[in-house]
This record gives sequence, C-alpha cells and structure tokens, in this order.
Amino acid sequence: DIVMTQTPLSLSVTPGQPASISCKSSQSLLHSDGKTYLYWYLQKPGQSPQVLIYGVSSRFSGVADRFSGSGSGTDFTLKISRVEAEDVGVYYCKQGIHVPVTFGQGTRLEIK
Amino acid sequence: EVQLAESGGGLVQPGGSLRLSCAASGFTFSSYWMTWVRQAPGKGLEWVANIKQDGSDKFYVDSVKGRFTISRDNAKNSLYLQMSSLRAEDTALYYCARDDGKYDYWGQGTLVTVSS
Repeated sequence: DIVMTQTPLSLSVTPGQPASISCKSSQSLLHSDGKTYLYWYLQKPGQSPQVLIYGVSSRFSGVADRFSGSGSGTDFTLKISRVEAEDVGVYYCKQGIHVPVTFGQGTRLEIK
Repeated sequence: EVQLAESGGGLVQPGGSLRLSCAASGFTFSSYWMTWVRQAPGKGLEWVANIKQDGSDKFYVDSVKGRFTISRDNAKNSLYLQMSSLRAEDTALYYCARDDGKYDYWGQGTLVTVSS
C-alpha cells in the first residue's frame, strides 16, 4: 500500500499569514497516462470532507484562490497564501493511483 | 443539486451484520464510480471500497475483504455496503462519495457502532 505522510500534524496560524502542509508518498503518484493522482481535502469541524485540490494543483470549483497545490512524483505541498478563520479544520492529502486509495494522517489547522 | 444521503447505521454486536445505504440524487448515478470512506471516532479518513458504474468492478481495503460487500442499484440510484462479521474496529462514521477520482461530493455519513 502507498503510505501518505503529512507534516506537520498540526499548525497554528495568525489570520492573514501563510500556511504550508507537506505530503510525501511512498511511491510515485505519476501515472503512465501523464497525470498525477494527488488530492487535497479539508474537513471543517462537524462537516464532511470537501475537495480542495485535484491533480496536484487544480482547484476544485468554488475553492478560494488563496489555496494552491504543487509538487511532483512523491513530494507535494498545499499552501494557503493568507489564512482566514474559515480555514480551520483538518487537511488530508490522498493518493488515487493505486488501490487501496490512501489518505495522509491529517493536519489540523487552528487559528491563533 | 447533487445530494448523497447515507442511512442504515446503528449499534450492532461484534460478529453482527449491518447494511448501509446511500441514496443519490441530482446527477446521473449510473455514470459514476462510487466509494465508501469511513472515519473512526477522532481519527482520520480511511477508504473502504469502491464500485464501477455498472458494478462489474469492485475493490476493497484489505481489512474488510471477505466481510464487506459493496453493491449498487442504478435503477434506484442507490449504493450499498453490506457489512458482516463486524468488529469493534469497524466502529466509524461511514461516508459515501461520488468517485470521479476527486470525491467531489460526500454525504453526511451514517454512524456504525460495534459494541456488546
């Protein structure tokens, strides 16, 4: 199984400041079709997860442009350019190239 | 509007069975893979199983193979998860999600508690 490792597991950010979450996979997520199957989700308190980023760097419809994804192969990053209060929750990366699909452990973001 | 609504959760004894359902609306159900993801209390997300549009392909996480069966009824726009030989470690909130790779829509989840 592909292991997804997120760092840090928690971070506390002042509103307006940037935040960054790293996600490393135990195998390359680059498929022979040329696509990289890496996704980012946010689970806000008491809610179901919601997709933020797919294909490493494509923002899902309606996602604020302060969220951006980057990376390749086995190393990926989610960046929030200016954290807002509504960004609190747990962020998960996920790989979809191999079954079983696997998620990172989650990174809890809180506001200072 | 796309909607997914899970049901069927509850309290069950170890070794028991339960059938979860996910009612889909607002999209062409038969055109999408569908997925079950679970979340143990206070824990992270765990993919459980998924199923192809016509039900011909199904995949499971190792921990549920032989115990859980995913199925669908496209005529009823419904997804199912038949769970048997339930264990304490199966206790979780079970979500269904539309699976186009990016799990763009999720239900609110149904809670399964396995305890004596």
